[in-house]
Amino acid sequence: DIQMTQSPSSLSASVGDRVTITCRASQGISNYLAWYQHKPGTVPKLLIYAASTLQSGVTSRFSGSGSGTDFTLTISSLQPEDVATYYCQKFNSAPWTFGQGTKVEIK
Amino acid sequence: EVQLVQSGGGLVQPGGSLRLSCAASGFTFSDYPMSWVRQTPGKGLEWVSAISGSGGNTFFADSVKGRFTISRDNFKNTLFLQMSSLRAEDTAVYYCAKSLGGYDPLWNYYYYMDVWGKGTTVTVSS
Repeated sequence: DIQMTQSPSSLSASVGDRVTITCRASQGISNYLAWYQHKPGTVPKLLIYAASTLQSGVTSRFSGSGSGTDFTLTISSLQPEDVATYYCQKFNSAPWTFGQGTKVEIK
Repeated sequence: EVQLVQSGGGLVQPGGSLRLSCAASGFTFSDYPMSWVRQTPGKGLEWVSAISGSGGNTFFADSVKGRFTISRDNFKNTLFLQMSSLRAEDTAVYYCAKSLGGYDPLWNYYYYMDVWGKGTTVTVSS
């Protein structure tokens, strides 16, 4: 099975900072990559699918890029409401594995 | 508005069984695959199972294969997860999720989750 590895596992940044999270697949998955945001006490929220397509209603502060094995989620200007754990997920074929998550906090 | 209302969680002894339900509304249920994803205490998200819109194709994570069954009632717009031979490591919050995707001859079925239920807690303990 393809493994998904995110880095870093956690980060702390200041409001207004540009934040980048990386997700690496152990084998190529084309652009079959989604990103989710999970805030404590809430349900996971789809941010991006097909590696770079912003889900309807999601702020353009979020963007995704990559193809094959290496992918990136970028928050252009970190806001307090962005505090959450972010997960990548491969969705090309079962099992639809998630990365281990990246916890984002405000410094 | 798309809504997924979950029920059926609770406390169960190791080796026991439990059935989770997810009642859907606000969309044509039979047109969409559905998935179950869980979050174990202090850990991340784990995909558990998925089912195609017709119910004809089902998929399971290795960790639950042979113990869990997924099904759907497209007349009652309800998704189910039947869990048996439960283990302590199955303790988690279980989310149902409306899924999007399709079939690609190269990759087989591809699904991602666009709307999530609020989750139901399953605790496996004696």
